[in-house]
Amino acid sequence: AQSVTQLGSHVSVSEGALVLLRCNYSSSVPPYLFWYVQYPNQGLQLLLKYTSAATLVKGINGFEAEFKKSETSFHLTKPSAHMSDAAEYFCAVSDEGRRALTFGSGTRLQVQP
Amino acid sequence: DSGVTQTPKHLITATGQRVTLRCSPRSGDLSVYWYQQSLDQGLQFLIHYYNGEERAKGNILERFSAQQFPDLHSELNLSSLELGDSALYFCASSVDRGSYNEQFFGPGTRLTVL
Repeated sequence: AQSVTQLGSHVSVSEGALVLLRCNYSSSVPPYLFWYVQYPNQGLQLLLKYTSAATLVKGINGFEAEFKKSETSFHLTKPSAHMSDAAEYFCAVSDEGRRALTFGSGTRLQVQP
Repeated sequence: DSGVTQTPKHLITATGQRVTLRCSPRSGDLSVYWYQQSLDQGLQFLIHYYNGEERAKGNILERFSAQQFPDLHSELNLSSLELGDSALYFCASSVDRGSYNEQFFGPGTRLTVL
């Protein structure tokens, strides 16, 4: 069975500071990993995905994530936070056999001026 | 705009009632996934259809059912509604060809059961 753990339900950073949102996964087969962002009263938008190519994945809006198999992690980072990054972020896992996404519980990012 | 449409945007109904949520996938996408987002359970997968056939079931209650029609739109039917069914229901679509799937989410239907 697959699972995703997101450490920290709330993260607060100052504008311009590094953003680090943590995600650890569990999967018995090679995983596909995703980060989605949800703005208030909106659907989910894909930020980036890992599908067994490069382990460092670059996404939209300056975000990137690194797949570390030894640590079963897929943490999301952005060098400099912007006010518009305030949203809820979800890490998700699927695989070749199970295409449906298993989501983590989400991390709400707050950006302070 | 993801290209996935869902109707209605909001739905308010009473316990015991039945509702139908509709999803139109992006042009060319054969897969439709339904997810439920609630404060208690978070984001949970309900059911997956591919080109009209059910492919996988998640935590879908027996009171809930879905189908995908020949034009590839999908409907999620919720019956004998309970207060706990109040949630955001998302559908997502994907081409689902090749080694991975990228799912595009609709804006959701917010269901309130009173």
